[in-house]
Amino acid sequence: NAGVTQTPKFRILKIGQSMTLQCAQDMNHNYMYWYRQDPGMGLKLIYYSVGAGITDKGEVPNGYNVSRSTTEDFPLRLELAAPSQTSVYFCASSYRSRDNQNSPLHFGNGTRLTVT
Amino acid sequence: ILNVEQSPQSLHVQEGDSTNFTCSFPSSNFYALHWYRWETAKSPEALFVMTLNGDEKKKGRISATLNTKEGYSYLYIKGSQPEDSATYLCAFRGSSNTGKLIFGQGTTLQVKP
Repeated sequence: NAGVTQTPKFRILKIGQSMTLQCAQDMNHNYMYWYRQDPGMGLKLIYYSVGAGITDKGEVPNGYNVSRSTTEDFPLRLELAAPSQTSVYFCASSYRSRDNQNSPLHFGNGTRLTVT
Repeated sequence: ILNVEQSPQSLHVQEGDSTNFTCSFPSSNFYALHWYRWETAKSPEALFVMTLNGDEKKKGRISATLNTKEGYSYLYIKGSQPEDSATYLCAFRGSSNTGKLIFGQGTTLQVKP
């Protein structure tokens, strides 16, 4: 079991470039999340998904897009990179069912993105 | 906008000291409160998921309590050790939304040997 796998680990982008941060989980989790971590700010929710084909905005969705075509994958897309998107990005997943509504999140190792 | 606040922002204690910190969250529409431990250069790892008012959870020297009526949770560490140095995050899930888990800004604990 690899758990939650994020790629790449590091990336430097120029302003205006685009890229996709990949996230995959092999635990058959239905819920997946993207967070960004800025110093002193904890984790801010960008987007989340409660199952394949369903996504919803979090606290800071502007400048990002997501898709969830399969249960395993939840890529995060930056279309026009801006310096404000310099951050560490964490993907996470959890399993929820009618009988188990409160399982904890499992996190990936993060992607450190710098936009210059 | 959901407000999840943690205090203090940072804490320095001596090895052997006991310590505690607070997570404040909306007292209405409560569903669950999560605690995570986040060591430097690693990913956050779950400590507790708490759902009922008055809940107390314990894992080794770390314990947590929950008061949903007044909207706070305490995390206690008894006899802190240097390996307890980490950022401790709480996260709130309200019943009015299906999936959102909103984190506080964290409390960073440094335990000096």
